[in-house]
Amino acid sequence: AAGVIQSPRHLIKEKRETATLKCYPIPRHDTVYWYQQGPGQDPQFLISFYEKMQSDKGSIPDRFSAQQFSDYHSELNMSSLELGDSALYFCASSLEGGTYEQYFGPGTRLTVT
Amino acid sequence: GENVEQHPSTLSVQEGDSAVIKCTYSDSASNYFPWYKQELGKRPQLIIDIRSNVGEKKDQRIAVTLNKTAKHFSLHITETQPEDSAVYFCAARSSGGSYIPTFGRGTSLIVHP
Repeated sequence: AAGVIQSPRHLIKEKRETATLKCYPIPRHDTVYWYQQGPGQDPQFLISFYEKMQSDKGSIPDRFSAQQFSDYHSELNMSSLELGDSALYFCASSLEGGTYEQYFGPGTRLTVT
Repeated sequence: GENVEQHPSTLSVQEGDSAVIKCTYSDSASNYFPWYKQELGKRPQLIIDIRSNVGEKKDQRIAVTLNKTAKHFSLHITETQPEDSAVYFCAARSSGGSYIPTFGRGTSLIVHP
């Protein structure tokens, strides 16, 4: 079965640079979530989209923005990167606004040097 | 908002033993409780879930129980194997408003051969 696709899988950036992470949900899934996970921590919810509209907002820094496109893929844009932004970034998708199960993508490991 | 407590933070067992991980939640409106298994550097993988209209659910060596009155739910793994070693996260999701699950802090399960 098709799964959530994320790209790139690994990304190395310097402080103050920008980064764009991409997420392609499972086909027919209309809801996308972004999570940040630091070492030894649980996934922290950043933001979600349902039918291309922002549906929930969590602990997303103002330096980050995201959107969901007409084909339901989503992009997380990160600017003015800081050392503390180094983490695993997961995208998850679900059906019908989140009433069904969430399935996680393989993640993007972002390292800020 | 919802608060999920998970215990223990670390669990070490011998191969073949059973393992139990417990979670409590605070929001009585929560009605969906998924469990995720996460191996080091990989995605959280949904292994089992339970909804509030069910008290117990089993899938081979894994079972989850839910006590809505006491607001706690547990993951039971029988006949543990070394490949069960991972971090396990419980989560709780409300029935209304936001469909964003609140995660527990995770339990690191180590199964010794």
